This record gives sequence, structure tokens and C-alpha cells, in this order.
Amino acid sequence: DAKTTQPNSMESNEEEPVHLPCNHSTISGTDYIHWYRQLPSQGPEYVIHGLTSNVNNRMASLAIAEDRKSSTLILHRATLRDAAVYYCILRPSNNAGNMLTFGGGTRLMVKP
Amino acid sequence: NAGVTQTPKFQVLKTGQSMTLQCAQDMNHEYMSWYRQDPGMGLRLIHYSVGAGITDQGEVPNGYNVSRSTTEDFPLRLLSAAPSQTSVYFCASRGQAYNEQFFGPGTRLTVL
Repeated sequence: DAKTTQPNSMESNEEEPVHLPCNHSTISGTDYIHWYRQLPSQGPEYVIHGLTSNVNNRMASLAIAEDRKSSTLILHRATLRDAAVYYCILRPSNNAGNMLTFGGGTRLMVKP
Repeated sequence: NAGVTQTPKFQVLKTGQSMTLQCAQDMNHEYMSWYRQDPGMGLRLIHYSVGAGITDQGEVPNGYNVSRSTTEDFPLRLLSAAPSQTSVYFCASRGQAYNEQFFGPGTRLTVL
């Protein structure tokens, strides 16, 4: 399975944008890039996903490099509630099951 | 919709005891999964199901059994609990036509 590499932790100030990087140099052409986040003492929650084009939703934006070997999750204005562990995950499009392979993720700390 | 529900929230077992962790979803999702999360780690897939009557093993299936007799329920059975099974267990579901997985709140299990 293709793996992802993320920084262990990042800090941000409240109300500033946050750029969370993810490297996936062995990504295959059919792998979707998914982002989930896990707030303290909760289950993970879906944030966003994409294949080739940049994506926006109400929570965040996903910028995908042209060669797809890296991506960046963008939180436009961090709030204290955004403090969580963010996971970048590759999911094959032929994934018949429910398999998400979680790495260590990036722990985002937001300072008031 | 209640989403994905898990019971119990907390459980303490002695080595060798058996128990069943319950998971239910009311979204008519075909796919359901069980993950475990050890302290400071990402989630690891235990078992998954792509529909009623169909289950398969994930990354760390030893010591656990599952069955899927209905679309709604996906219980996880610990046959003979061991201290190495101390962890937080998350159940997740996903509709076949969708990319987003929904996670339950988790069951925190301690095996003494």
C-alpha cells in the first residue's frame, strides 16, 4: 500500500490560515487522497478528499500537486476547535472494503 | 439519524474473559469496519464487512471475531481477552456510493 508522510506536529495562531502538508511519493494513479481529523477523545471525522483537482468544501480546501506526490490541507481560519490530529490517507479506488490505513498524522495545536 | 453508535463506552475485563462490543448504524450503509487505536498511534483495521453475511479480515484480526447478520449491526467479539487488547475501539460505516466514512464515539477497553 502507498504510504503517506506528515509532520508530527504543527502550531498555528487562532484565525490564521493553516497549511498541513502530506507527502505520498508512491501514490498510484487510482489512489484517492483523503483527510480525516480526530478531535480529543472522539472518533475520526471526514474532512475532504480528492483525486487530481483541488477541492473545496465548508471545512477546508485540498491542494494537490500536479504530479500528485504531495498534497496540502488548508484550513482558512483556524479556530480553537480545529485543534486535532489530522490524518492524510490514500484509498485505492478499487478498495472493495472499508479499508483506511492510518499513519501517525499531524497534531495541530491552535494558540489563542 | 443517530449515525454510528457503540456500546459500552468503557469496559474493564480480566484476562481470559470474553465480551462483545456492539456497533449499530441507522444510515443503511453497506460497509462497516472495526478499528483499534493504541495510545499515540493511528487506527488499525481489525475486520470489515461489505454487506450482510460478508466479512473479511483487516490488518490485526487475531483474537477477534465478527459477524454481520443485519445491515445495521456489526458486533466485535473478543474470545479470550489479553492485556495486549487494551485499546480504544472504533466502529465505522460507509455507504457504497459515498467516500465519507462515519465513525462511532469509541469503546475504551482495559484488560487487566
